[in-house]
Amino acid sequence: DTGVSQDPRHKITKRGQNVTFRCDPISEHNRLYWYRQTLGQGPEFLTYFQNEAQLEKSRLLSDRFSAERPKGSFSTLEIQRTEQGDSAMYLCASSLVGSGRTYNEQFFGPGTRLTVL
Amino acid sequence: DAKTTQPTSMDCAEGRAANLPCNHSTISGNEYVYWYRQIHSQGPQYIIHGLKNNETNEMASLIITEDRKSSTLILPHATLRDTAVYYCIVRLKTSYDKVIFGPGTSLSVIP
Repeated sequence: DTGVSQDPRHKITKRGQNVTFRCDPISEHNRLYWYRQTLGQGPEFLTYFQNEAQLEKSRLLSDRFSAERPKGSFSTLEIQRTEQGDSAMYLCASSLVGSGRTYNEQFFGPGTRLTVL
Repeated sequence: DAKTTQPTSMDCAEGRAANLPCNHSTISGNEYVYWYRQIHSQGPQYIIHGLKNNETNEMASLIITEDRKSSTLILPHATLRDTAVYYCIVRLKTSYDKVIFGPGTSLSVIP
């Protein structure tokens, strides 16, 4: 257990439905990242936050995807009008930037596995 | 971030040392070598990182060649729980940005 939690762990939905995932990072961590992982591939970056500010979004993050981190603590990732191609593991990670840290270690949660039927 | 090349898969007998190679011939002078692993159905886990000196922690050892163009992650006494995908990543130490994962090496520890 890394201290990063994600909910739900599994989600099955029908094509066209909206889904929302939640990530709770390690409490003092100010950076939060979202990744997506399909079978047989390494995780692919989607977006990240510094506190509540979303600083970078990947081209993978289409208009149907939106992420928020309203109070700089937990984050949500919403997918609207899901498609079968959205089926993947969605991973969240957090890290602590600044405060004299000498390297950036990202701590990953267990992921949310999404299956779109 | 520089690219890395790893074998697709490897086997290792339980109790023996697992040596996982990684090539990073285009690494720049201020880039570090990081290793993560991902056990099935879990998120990636940080293992170790290094610049040019060999590094050791409670999980593994990292051997980096003198020219820094390749490295080896060593699990000294592999157990069945070490079966996982191992990712070698090269990045700036001060980079707080995304981690760029390749496909990694799938290590199977065999009883």
